[in-house]
Amino acid sequence: DARVTQTPRHKVTEMGQEVTMRCQPILGHNTVFWYRQTMMQGLELLAYFRNRAPLDDSGMPKDRFSAEMPDATLATLKIQPSEPRDSAVYFCASGLDQGGGNTIYFGEGSWLTVV
Amino acid sequence: GEDVEQSLFLSVREGDSSVINCTYTDSSSTYLYWYKQEPGAGLQLLTYIFSNMDMKQDQRLTVLLNKKDKHLSLRIADTQTGDSAIYFCAEKDGGYQKVTFGTGTKLQVIP
Repeated sequence: DARVTQTPRHKVTEMGQEVTMRCQPILGHNTVFWYRQTMMQGLELLAYFRNRAPLDDSGMPKDRFSAEMPDATLATLKIQPSEPRDSAVYFCASGLDQGGGNTIYFGEGSWLTVV
Repeated sequence: GEDVEQSLFLSVREGDSSVINCTYTDSSSTYLYWYKQEPGAGLQLLTYIFSNMDMKQDQRLTVLLNKKDKHLSLRIADTQTGDSAIYFCAEKDGGYQKVTFGTGTKLQVIP
């Protein structure tokens, strides 16, 4: 049963520490999304990759956040240094964009708490 | 940019129909989606509709699309307590091909 895998599932860290979240997209998918979900802001798109190239990261705070795809099976989202306001659930999603439909499938999320 | 809006909360009685509404602003939307999120879980795709369709039915789910008014709705027939969740509307733009989500509607089903 193909699914998007995210690690860690839960992370508690101190302010100022680096946080790295990892995502393994569904094999064969060529688009990867990072979303952040909070009670106040809802679901925000942070970054979007197609064929490993970043297409849109306008929703991501550039000073502390970075998103990469070292290879087709791994996407990473880093926060350095982390701040309490970064506490949220971070979702990775992947899809197959063939120029038409692009149904995206979500991972279970990484629940981040920065204290 | 793209904007997708939903009402925040809906309460229905078990057995009744639920209708969750969504409006969007992107006139170049190609696909529109409904996702369901249960507590502590990720988003699960329920159904989607192509922008040149006006209706799609899938078992208890009916999606209606009014492209002129940029209005999408999800009707759940015979709503069950297991349908209690947050429902997200999303649209895929025809340019960048990115998917933008609404704020989510929390559906409460009263037994």
